[in-house]
Amino acid sequence: DAGVTQSPTHLIKTRGQQVTLRCSPKSGHDTVSWYQQALGQGPQFIFQYYEEEERQRGNFPDRFSGHQFPNYSSELNVNALLLGDSALYLCASRMGVSEQYFGPGTRLTVT
Amino acid sequence: EDKVVQSPLSLVVHEGDTVTLNCSYEVTNFRSLLWYKQEKKAPTFLFMLTSSGIEKKSGRLSSILDKKELFSILNITATQTGDSAVYLCAVGAGNMLTFGGGTRLMVKP
Repeated sequence: DAGVTQSPTHLIKTRGQQVTLRCSPKSGHDTVSWYQQALGQGPQFIFQYYEEEERQRGNFPDRFSGHQFPNYSSELNVNALLLGDSALYLCASRMGVSEQYFGPGTRLTVT
Repeated sequence: EDKVVQSPLSLVVHEGDTVTLNCSYEVTNFRSLLWYKQEKKAPTFLFMLTSSGIEKKSGRLSSILDKKELFSILNITATQTGDSAVYLCAVGAGNMLTFGGGTRLMVKP
């Protein structure tokens, strides 16, 4: 049983560019959440998707947007990248109100 | 604003020691408190607590929640070098998890 998978593993972008990160949830899970983890800090909630709709959003600007597909996989898009967007981006999935399981993350570096 | 605070920030112990990690919180619409272990990238799930006073145990790890005093502890007995990691506490409220800053544990041989 594959756990949560994310791609790419890491990438480097330039300020002002746009990036798309991808996540496939654990088998049987229908809810996907995205988190940003800066170095030395705990993860911060970006948003959650359920039934292809954004269900809740954290304190992140509109430059951060997402999508969930019918197979429950999800994308996180970040536009107009800033240096401060450099972080580990984690995807987590769950079924119902069960515990969330995290993927290995995508390390984004903005130069 | 929801808040989760973990202490200590970091801890260095020797193999065989017992450690206690603390997590206090202030959140509205509390649903659950979760503990994760993060070694390199993916936080791995340890425990989910929803009821006060009921200890959850897995091997050398155990955790308990106090919903009146708004805190939880994670105990690790007979520590091993493989326990070295960042331990994250998160509180579920609504549809999101609010994380603390983590406790970095280093276990020396």
